[in-house]
Amino acid sequence: AQKVTQAQTEISVVEKEDVTLDCVYETRDTTYYLFWYKQPPSGELVFLIRRNSFDEQNEISGRYSWNFQKSTSSFNFTITASQVVDSAVYFCALSEARKTSYDKVIFGPGTSLSVIP
Amino acid sequence: DGGITQSPKYLFRKEGQNVTLSCEQNLNHDAMYWYRQDPGQGLRLIYYSQIVNDFQKGDIAEGYSVSREKKESFPLTVTSAQKNPTAFYLCASTNRTGWQPQHFGDGTRLSIL
Repeated sequence: AQKVTQAQTEISVVEKEDVTLDCVYETRDTTYYLFWYKQPPSGELVFLIRRNSFDEQNEISGRYSWNFQKSTSSFNFTITASQVVDSAVYFCALSEARKTSYDKVIFGPGTSLSVIP
Repeated sequence: DGGITQSPKYLFRKEGQNVTLSCEQNLNHDAMYWYRQDPGQGLRLIYYSQIVNDFQKGDIAEGYSVSREKKESFPLTVTSAQKNPTAFYLCASTNRTGWQPQHFGDGTRLSIL
């Protein structure tokens, strides 16, 4: 069965600290996609990144970076020099890519990040 | 700007009442989804639709109904059969399933009076 685990329910950091949000997934598929979404207090989920299972290259986008390791089934997200605007709930998600049926997206339970000024 | 509009932002339901949540998108996306969000549980899929006039049950469809008469609209009705409807409801759409990221509306918070 597919599953996404985000063991950190809530994290609080002081502004300018670095913080890593953990994501561990389970799947039997060899082809799949991983996502990170941000949910600010306004409620809308905002897409941050997508990774396919064949691309283990780490990615950096400004203060955000992602570490994908198939060997440990992890897709961790690091925010460098955190800012108050980073305060949000962050979801990791996993999607099958079977093409023959609905490609279900499995969301993790989310990690609530609070950045304290 | 293209996007997804959900209305109302807050909704209250009385016992025995059906209520309908609106979701409209102008992204020309084929697929649309309804999720329910409860604290600490992430998002759970209620219904999804990949094309007009077709929709499928998700993981927690009991007590809910949908329609997809137009590509841009996917309303969700929370029926009186849904005994615990208090939650945050999110609508999403995507051009293709799975590997394309979903675009989300800003949600409707439903509470029981």
